[in-house]
Amino acid sequence: ETGVTQTPRHLVMGMTNKKSLKCEQHLGHNAMYWYKQSAKKPLELMFVYNFKEQTENNSVPSRFSPECPNSSHLFLHLHTLQPEDSALYLCASSQDRGGEETQYFGPGTRLLVL
Amino acid sequence: GDSVTQMEGPVTLSEEAFLTINCTYTATGYPSLFWYVQYPGEGLQLLLKATKADDKGSNKGFEATYRKETTSFHLEKGSVQVSDSAVYFCALSEGFKTIFGAGTRLFVKA
Repeated sequence: ETGVTQTPRHLVMGMTNKKSLKCEQHLGHNAMYWYKQSAKKPLELMFVYNFKEQTENNSVPSRFSPECPNSSHLFLHLHTLQPEDSALYLCASSQDRGGEETQYFGPGTRLLVL
Repeated sequence: GDSVTQMEGPVTLSEEAFLTINCTYTATGYPSLFWYVQYPGEGLQLLLKATKADDKGSNKGFEATYRKETTSFHLEKGSVQVSDSAVYFCALSEGFKTIFGAGTRLFVKA
C-alpha cells in the first residue's frame, strides 16, 4: 500500500465511449502525475500537476483530458480513444516537483480499447 | 537530451545467484538516480536512490553506486530470492524532469 489509489483497476471501452480514471493520494503531496505504460516501451509521462496547476503536457492527444480539482485528486477523462491507447495508466505523486523527490505510484488502471 | 539505458531482459536466475542489472545514463547536469521495482499487478515503488556522485543507495539487500565517471548506476544483489521476481526500472531526475528506462524483467527460479 503506497498511499495512492486508482479506480477502476480494469476498464474495457469502445472507441466511442467516454470514461474517466480516478486517482487519489493520501500522502499530503503537492505534485501528481499521469504515466502511460505500454508493453516493451519506457514509461511515458503524460501530465504533471503541481499545487493543482498543470505544469507539463507531453504532447498528449486531446482525447486525453486531465483534471486536478485539488492536491489529493487527479482524473483522466477519456473519449474517442484508439486501440493503440490500450495500456496500463499509472498515477503517481510526490511531495513537490524536484530532482530528489521520490514518486509514489498507484497500482494502475489496465485499459483495453476495442 | 537526457536518457536512461538499461539492459534488456528477461534475466533468469536461480535462487541465491548474484544479480547485476546494468543502467547507464546521459544527462546535461547532475541528476538524481533511482531504481524502482514493479511487482506483478502493482505500480512502481522506490527500491533505492542516490543523489550525488559516489553515493551508494541500498535497500532489501540491493545496492547501486552513482558512478559519474562511467555515467552508470548498476543494480546488484548478492543472493536473489524467488520473491525478487519483478520488473526493475532505472530512472534519472534532473530539475523538473524524470526519465525512466524501459525496464528489465527478472525471473528467479526456485
